Formats: sequence, C-alpha cells, structure tokens
Amino acid sequence: GENVEQHPSTLSVQEGDSAVIKCTYSDSASNYFPWYKQELGKRPQLIIDIRSNVGEKKDQRIAVTLNKTAKHFSLHITETQPEDSAVYFCAASKKSDYKLSFGAGTTVTVRA
Amino acid sequence: DGGITQSPKYLFRKEGQNVTLSCEQNLNHDAMYWYRQDPGQGLRLIYYSQIVNDFQKGDIAEGYSVSREKKESFPLTVTSAQKNPTAFYLCASGLGVGTEAFFGQGTRLTVV
Repeated sequence: GENVEQHPSTLSVQEGDSAVIKCTYSDSASNYFPWYKQELGKRPQLIIDIRSNVGEKKDQRIAVTLNKTAKHFSLHITETQPEDSAVYFCAASKKSDYKLSFGAGTTVTVRA
Repeated sequence: DGGITQSPKYLFRKEGQNVTLSCEQNLNHDAMYWYRQDPGQGLRLIYYSQIVNDFQKGDIAEGYSVSREKKESFPLTVTSAQKNPTAFYLCASGLGVGTEAFFGQGTRLTVV
C-alpha cells in the first residue's frame, strides 16, 4: 500500500521567513496530494491540494510543488505569520482507490 | 459545523470493554474514514468505506470493527483485542477519489 513520509517532524521559523515541508510517496499510481492544517485543539482542514497533471499550485502565501519522477511533493509557506503555527499533514491517494494516506505531520512554530 | 459530527467528545472505558464511537454526516458523502491520531505518528487509517454496506481495512485495522448500514453513519467499535486503544480518533467524509476530506471534531478515548 501507499507509504507517505514527511519531513521535518518539527520546524521553527522566524516570523516573516519561509517554511518548507517535504513529503515522499511510494505508490507511483498516486495522483492526488492534499495538505491539511490542524491548529491546536481543532480538526484538520484542507489548505491546498495538487493533482498529478500539475507541477505547482499557489494560493496567496502557500504553494505546493510536485515532482512525479522523484515521487515527492512539498509545501511552501512564505512570509510566515503567528497564525501559521500548527501541525501540517501531507497525504496521497490514487484514482482507483478511495484510500487517503497521511504523513506523520510537521509541527510548525512561528517565532515572533 | 462542517456537517460531520462525532460523539462523544471524551470517552472513558475500562480495559476489556468494547466501545463504539459515533460518526454521522449530512453532506451526502459516499466516502467515510476513521483515523487514529497519536503524538508523532500522524493520522493512521483504521478503516474506510466507499459506499453503503462496503468497507476496507486501512493500515491499522486490528482490534477495530466498523459498519456502514446507512450512508450517513460509520460507527467504529474499539474491541478488547486492541492492545493500546487510548488515542484520539478522527472520522472524515468526502465525495470520493481526489476530493477534500472533511473531518469531525474527534473523540478522545481513554481506557483505564
């Protein structure tokens, strides 16, 4: 089955700096890669996603890139703000299966 | 509130007892999921269902059981066979392959 690995497990950045989280996946048939943000005490919520026919997608300060050949995808947060402090999860799924597999999560702390 | 409801929020049970966690959605979603969240281990998939009366094992199904008798409901039973049941359990639902998963608020189960 699909194995999603996520790095780093923790990330501390100065406010205004950029944060990058990287994920790798094992199943070359995977074609949908969402990112979820979980604030303390709250449920995970989708912040951005990318499909395998696209190499990059942006939404204001966040962007996701996908390298299908290397089977890895990354989340980029620019101009970080205190409200970006949260746990971020990457995930992967494939067209033929409803299974949605998550990485272990990255705890991001934005220092003021 | 997202249309997906888990109850109760906190649950305490004695060791050796089976316990059922409720998950209900009114979003008309076909897909439903159960995840277990432990510190540092991300969201691990227990079971998922693509349609009524059908479900598949996830990555850590041992000691758990589910049913999908109605589209709106996907209850999870934590049996006495689960060696380490104390955890935070998240239910999610979605339209299907390659679509956003919406999470419930979670149930924190403590077995004493």
